[in-house]
Amino acid sequence: EPEVTQTPSHQVTQMGQEVILRCVPISNHLYFYWYRQILGQKVEFLVSFYNNEISEKSEIFDDQFSVERPDGSNFTLKIRSTKLEDSAMYFCASSSGDSKLFFGSGTQLSVL
Amino acid sequence: AQSVTQPDIHITVSEGASLELRCNYSYGATPYLFWYVQSPGQGLQLLLKYFSGDTLVQGIKGFEAEFKRSQSSFTLRKPSVHWSDAAEYFCAVGGTGGYNKLIFGAGTRLAVHP
Repeated sequence: EPEVTQTPSHQVTQMGQEVILRCVPISNHLYFYWYRQILGQKVEFLVSFYNNEISEKSEIFDDQFSVERPDGSNFTLKIRSTKLEDSAMYFCASSSGDSKLFFGSGTQLSVL
Repeated sequence: AQSVTQPDIHITVSEGASLELRCNYSYGATPYLFWYVQSPGQGLQLLLKYFSGDTLVQGIKGFEAEFKRSQSSFTLRKPSVHWSDAAEYFCAVGGTGGYNKLIFGAGTRLAVHP
């Protein structure tokens, strides 16, 4: 079965550093998403992306965050200057447009 | 406001016993409803979904869910739980159409006793 792939599985960074989280969505999918889950809390929507532009973003997705689909396969989330509170599990998801989202295994980001 | 409530934070059942996980939602339009499962260190796996039609939907791993519009509920059930079902279960609601942002509940952590 096709799957969404995320790399790395774990990322440790110093506060103030830039990080890029990478995702390879399912190949024929058109809609891409980032969610995050702070330890012990619910899964929260960050941003959705379609047709090479952001469809919707949450209040969490401030100017420190950006997304990009640099080629036909990758979908990245960049955090420009990480803060302690950015520590979380970040999930990428993709959909073909049938409202069914497939999630990756996540990247655990730890900001020290 | 759009929201999902899972009233049970933790549930413990014995292996072989039946399972029922509750979910209530608030959504302004016709909702699509989902149950996802997250095993430790894993991503979110879709168990089942409700879009329309029969209010009892079947999913993977022997799970089923019942949608009750009058109660704004989407209850997940399994007749006989296996130890491997120990995980966190998330209910989610989303809209129709190509783009679908999901709103998740806080999750219910299931422990299974042998």
